[in-house]
Amino acid sequence: DAKTTQPPSMDCAEGRAANLPCNHSTISGNEYVYWYRQIHSQGPQYIIHGLKNNETNEMASLIITEDRKSSTLILPHATLRDTAVYYCIAHAPTSGTYKYIFGTGTRLKVLA
Amino acid sequence: NAGVTQTPKFQVLKTGQSMTLQCAQDMNHNSMYWYRQDPGMGLRLIYYSASEGTTDKGEVPNGYNVSRLNKREFSLRLESAAPSQTSVYFCASSDRGRGDTQYFGPGTRLTVL
Repeated sequence: DAKTTQPPSMDCAEGRAANLPCNHSTISGNEYVYWYRQIHSQGPQYIIHGLKNNETNEMASLIITEDRKSSTLILPHATLRDTAVYYCIAHAPTSGTYKYIFGTGTRLKVLA
Repeated sequence: NAGVTQTPKFQVLKTGQSMTLQCAQDMNHNSMYWYRQDPGMGLRLIYYSASEGTTDKGEVPNGYNVSRLNKREFSLRLESAAPSQTSVYFCASSDRGRGDTQYFGPGTRLTVL
């Protein structure tokens, strides 16, 4: 699986959009981009994933650049409960590789 | 539908003691995983089970053994605990046929003195 790079920390004002970037310049054609978050040492929680098209669900939107070398997770209206560590992972679900490679993620702090 | 459950939630061991961490999922997933997370770090894969009856080493398998008891249950055993195994342990499961998103349990906080 490709390595991903994320900023170590970000702040966001409550009610504003939080845009979390991720670089995955060595991503291969069959690798999806997955986003998870971990709130205060709980088990990581799945947010969203995509291959090349932009994706949206009830939690967030995922924007993937056309060359697929980077992506952005958007939390449209951040709340204090969105304060967490966010992990971006590149993974091919149909490959022989089963593991996710977790980096250290981005620690998002939502400010009141 | 409980998702992924883990027992115990907390455990303190003395060096050299053994214990088994239990994990169960009720989502009918084929694949199950054990991770550890040390303070300030991301998760690292210890062992995984791609399907019932199979297990494979992950990134940090030394000092651990696993058993895939059936499709629902995947246990992690520490035969002789060491202080370096003090960590938070997470179990996860996934269905590779449905996007392979992993669902995580709440974790077991283990301290080895």
